[in-house]
Amino acid sequence: NAGVMQNPRHLVRRRGQEARLRCSPMKGHSHVYWYRQLPEEGLKFMVYLQKENIIDESGMPKERFSAEFPKEGPSILRIQQVVRGDSAAYFCASSHLVGGADYEQYFGPGTRLTVT
Amino acid sequence: KQEVTQIPAALSVPEGENLVLNCSFTDSAIYNLQWFRQDPGKGLTSLLLIQSSQREQTSGRLNASLDKSSGRSTLYIAASQPGDSATYLCAVVDNYGQNFVFGPGTRLSVLP
Repeated sequence: NAGVMQNPRHLVRRRGQEARLRCSPMKGHSHVYWYRQLPEEGLKFMVYLQKENIIDESGMPKERFSAEFPKEGPSILRIQQVVRGDSAAYFCASSHLVGGADYEQYFGPGTRLTVT
Repeated sequence: KQEVTQIPAALSVPEGENLVLNCSFTDSAIYNLQWFRQDPGKGLTSLLLIQSSQREQTSGRLNASLDKSSGRSTLYIAASQPGDSATYLCAVVDNYGQNFVFGPGTRLSVLP
């Protein structure tokens, strides 16, 4: 059973370009979470999605950032018009609620975005 | 708003020592607490998950305890090895949401 997969692992974008980060959850998981780790800072929650629904986006910047988790395919975190401050590691996690009692989240290897 | 802190920020010990990492959280209404390990430039590896009804979990040389009422968890590492060198992160899921709130981490170096 493959773990959480993220691609690309490394992404370089120039200021003003768009960045698209992909996350494939573990098989059978229908809940996806995105976190951001800025250099020398801790991990911060960005958004929580279920299939075709955004459940909690309280950690997402109001502009330029969007996320989706379509019925088919991976979850996408999209950053438009990137700026240098967007340079960070972006981690995706997935979980499978088992009777509402299991919130263990499994993390992907991350995508390291560098904005030049 | 839940806040998680970890002490110490960094720790350097000789190989073979037993050590304790501390995690504190401000709101005791948590659903679970999870300890992770992160190697430089890598993702997160889950070490131990403690549900709110549990007091501790053990895995090999690792033991994590949870005291919800005081808002504390400790990660005990026995007989430390150089391969244990990494950043250790504590994270809680509270009863109001489903995402993790992470602490800043403890950077551990075990010297051979």
